[in-house]
Amino acid sequence: QARLVQSGAEVKKPGASVKVSCKASGYNFDGHYMHWVRQAPGQGLQWMGRINPYSGDATYAQRFQGRVTMTRDTSSGTLELSRLTYDDTAVYYCAREIGLSETTKWFDPWGQGTLVTVSS
Amino acid sequence: DIQMTQSPSSLYASVGDRVTITCRASQSIGSHLNWYQQKPGKVPNLLVYAASSLQEGVPSRFSGSGSGTDFTLTISSLQPEDVATYYCQQSYMFAFGPGTRVDIK
Repeated sequence: QARLVQSGAEVKKPGASVKVSCKASGYNFDGHYMHWVRQAPGQGLQWMGRINPYSGDATYAQRFQGRVTMTRDTSSGTLELSRLTYDDTAVYYCAREIGLSETTKWFDPWGQGTLVTVSS
Repeated sequence: DIQMTQSPSSLYASVGDRVTITCRASQSIGSHLNWYQQKPGKVPNLLVYAASSLQEGVPSRFSGSGSGTDFTLTISSLQPEDVATYYCQQSYMFAFGPGTRVDIK
């Protein structure tokens, strides 16, 4: 059974960077893109980007370009977000992509979420 | 970029009511539309993929329909455990709709 387990909560100061990790188990890690989605308190879901675990190639949402880096290691993905501001306070989720075709894709499962708090 | 909108933003309904949530894309996305349920304090959970395919284990009272730019998620008989926020997602560039909160009247 596929499972994603994320690292614990973080508190960071404005201007700092944060790394969140996501450990995969129960499936062929290299065979499925890993996505990152965040959710600010009381707000909706915001897609941040995805990484191909096989090649290491990543695609980022335009609003995070230049500030986000997604990497992978054996069975784990890592999200790094730099130059943090108060608006980056959110729960960050990783999710596995499942696809039937180039455009028929969905996310399942999701990690449990990691709360990142930006506070001075 | 393809933008997603949802209506209503929130709704109250009675147990047993039929509930319909609408999702609209800013341009045609064929049937490349997913629906997720997020219960309070919980992780999002896939309900429907490819516009109308029910994820395994999801109760049959949930159904999805639509294609092109207009999609609907229907709960045929609302249950107390369906209290949640529902999000649509297009699977070209993975953008989510703003969500629809469903509560019991």
